[in-house]
Amino acid sequence: DVKVTQSSRYLVKRTGEKVFLECVQDMDHENMFWYRQDPGLGLRLIYFSYDVKMKEKGDIPEGYSVSREKKERFSLILESASTNQTSMYLCASSKTWGAFFGQGTRLTVV
Amino acid sequence: AQSVTQPDIHITVSEGASLELRCNYSYGATPYLFWYVQSPGQGLQLLLKYFSGDTLVQGIKGFEAEFKRSQSSFNLRKPSVHWSDAAEYFCAVGARGGGADGLTFGKGTHLIIQP
Repeated sequence: DVKVTQSSRYLVKRTGEKVFLECVQDMDHENMFWYRQDPGLGLRLIYFSYDVKMKEKGDIPEGYSVSREKKERFSLILESASTNQTSMYLCASSKTWGAFFGQGTRLTVV
Repeated sequence: AQSVTQPDIHITVSEGASLELRCNYSYGATPYLFWYVQSPGQGLQLLLKYFSGDTLVQGIKGFEAEFKRSQSSFNLRKPSVHWSDAAEYFCAVGARGGGADGLTFGKGTHLIIQP
C-alpha cells in the first residue's frame, strides 16, 4: 500500500515563527501536493510539485513556500506564521491517477 | 476552470437505510472523478474513481457511483449504511487522473447516521 507520512499530527506555533511541515511518500510518485482544509471551505490546493526541484502554485500560495530536494519528500514552509494559517494541512502524492493522502497535520498558530 | 459542487452540507440517514450523496462538476474536457471519505481526525481515503468506460463504478466499503455526463453528475450511493459510515465525504475532479494539476474538491458532505 502507498504510504504518505506527515511528520506531525499536531503542532502549535507562535505568530511570526518559521514553520516546516514535512511529508514523505514511499511509492516513487512524481507528483506531490499540499492542501489546507478549513470548515466550510473544503480542501484548497496550496502548492504542488511534479518533479524534484519543481514547484507550481496552487489556488492559495500566499504566505507559503515549498521545497522538494528529493523525490520522496515535499516540505511546506510558512515563512512567518500567522493566526489565519491555523488549519489542517494535508499532503498527497500521485502517479497517474487519484491521490493518496497523509493523515494530516493540525497546525495552530497562537 | 474546473469546479465541484456538493449541494448537501449535512445529510442524516438511519442505519440500514439507503444513501445517495450528490456531486455536480464543471470541467471542460472528459473529467476524471473521485470520491474520498474522511473520518474524524484522519486523512482522506479514496473510495472510488471514474476515468472512462462503464458509467457505474464500484468502490470499497460497498459504495458505488454513477457518472452521468448529461447531468454533469457523479453521485455516490450505498444500499444500506452502517454506523461506521459516518464521516465527511468529498467529491473531486481532476485532469489526467489528478496528476500534476491536482484535484479540485467539493466542500464536502457530512454524513450522520442515526440509530
